[in-house]
Amino acid sequence: EPEVTQTPSHQVTQMGQEVILRCVPISNHLYFYWYRQILGQKVEFLVSFYNNEISEKSEIFDDQFSVERPDGSNFTLKIRSTKLEDSAMYFCASSEWSGVTDTQYFGPGTRLTVL
Amino acid sequence: QKEVEQDPGPLSVPEGAIVSLNCTYSNSAFQYFMWYRQYSRKGPELLMYTYSSGNKEDGRFTAQVDKSSKYISLFIRDSQPSDSATYLCAMSEDFAGNQFYFGTGTSLTVIP
Repeated sequence: EPEVTQTPSHQVTQMGQEVILRCVPISNHLYFYWYRQILGQKVEFLVSFYNNEISEKSEIFDDQFSVERPDGSNFTLKIRSTKLEDSAMYFCASSEWSGVTDTQYFGPGTRLTVL
Repeated sequence: QKEVEQDPGPLSVPEGAIVSLNCTYSNSAFQYFMWYRQYSRKGPELLMYTYSSGNKEDGRFTAQVDKSSKYISLFIRDSQPSDSATYLCAMSEDFAGNQFYFGTGTSLTVIP
């Protein structure tokens, strides 16, 4: 069964450093998303991406964040200058709009630890 | 902004029990309702989704949506120890690329 994959599974970085989180969405999906989950808190939407541009973004997704689809398979989230409060699980998701429903399938997540 | 409310539990039931998990929401524009299961330190796994109001059944799982009350439920029949996980409700408006709003999740333990 096709699945969303993410690398790395765990990333440790120093505050102020740039990190890039990588995702390979399900191959025939057209919509891509990033969410984050701070330990013990809700899964929170960051951004959605379609047709090589951002469709929607939340207040969390400020100028420190950017997304890119550098090739036909990868979807990346870059955090330019990490802060302690960026420590969280970051989930990538993808969906195939059917015209009626939009079921998002999630990857296993990348645990980001900012020291 | 508390879009989606979910009792975090924890909920502990004996094997074979019927489990009822619930969420309430405030945004009447939500049309699409989902239940995800999440194991510790893993990504959410889609269990069921429903569009608008009504019931949907899949094996031991039944999802119900009552839009008039802004209330959704997930029932698990004949619960098994393998059902032990955190259950997340999520919902969105009905167009592609729209963000999902998640509840906090309910932690469920099924005791053998």
